[in-house]
Amino acid sequence: NAGVMQNPRHLVRRRGQEARLRCSPMKGHSHVYWYRQLPEEGLKFMVYLQKENIIDESGMPKERFSAEFPKEGPSILRIQQVVRGDSAAYFCASSPGQGETYGYTFGSGTRLTVV
Amino acid sequence: AQSVTQPDIHITVSEGASLELRCNYSYGATPYLFWYVQSPGQGLQLLLKYFSGDTLVQGIKGFEAEFKRSQSSFNLRKPSVHWSDAAEYFCAVSDPGGFKTIFGAGTRLFVKA
Repeated sequence: NAGVMQNPRHLVRRRGQEARLRCSPMKGHSHVYWYRQLPEEGLKFMVYLQKENIIDESGMPKERFSAEFPKEGPSILRIQQVVRGDSAAYFCASSPGQGETYGYTFGSGTRLTVV
Repeated sequence: AQSVTQPDIHITVSEGASLELRCNYSYGATPYLFWYVQSPGQGLQLLLKYFSGDTLVQGIKGFEAEFKRSQSSFNLRKPSVHWSDAAEYFCAVSDPGGFKTIFGAGTRLFVKA
């Protein structure tokens, strides 16, 4: 049973380009969460999605960032017109139901570097 | 607002020595409490969690944590550290039944021979 798969593991983008980060949840998990980790900091909640629905995006910047979790395929975190400050590790977690009661499984992350 | 404080940015212990990593939280009631470990370049792995009941929680890899309501603390302990325990450790809280987990800034553990 594969865990949470994130790709790419590393992504380098020039300022102004778009970054697309993918997350395939564990089999049987329909709840996906995205977190961002800046250097020397803990993880910060960005967005919580269920299939085809954004449940809570209160942690996501209002501009340039968007997320989706379509009926088929992985969840996508998209960052348009990237800036240096977007450089971070982006982690995805999944669960079979809402909330920590069910337990999160984290992926290995995508490390975005903006040059 | 919920918050999590890990007072120690990094700690160094000798292999075989005991370990205690501190965690204090701020929350109106009793939150769900967690400890995660992150090895370099990896994602987070859940070590243990506390929801209710017995305040001493056993986790994987020989770790345990004790919830002390009066001190708003949830410290992580291990009686004998192994070199493979060197990693970053994160304490986290969430609303019971919620989904927005708040993480501390982490404590990096170094193990010396």
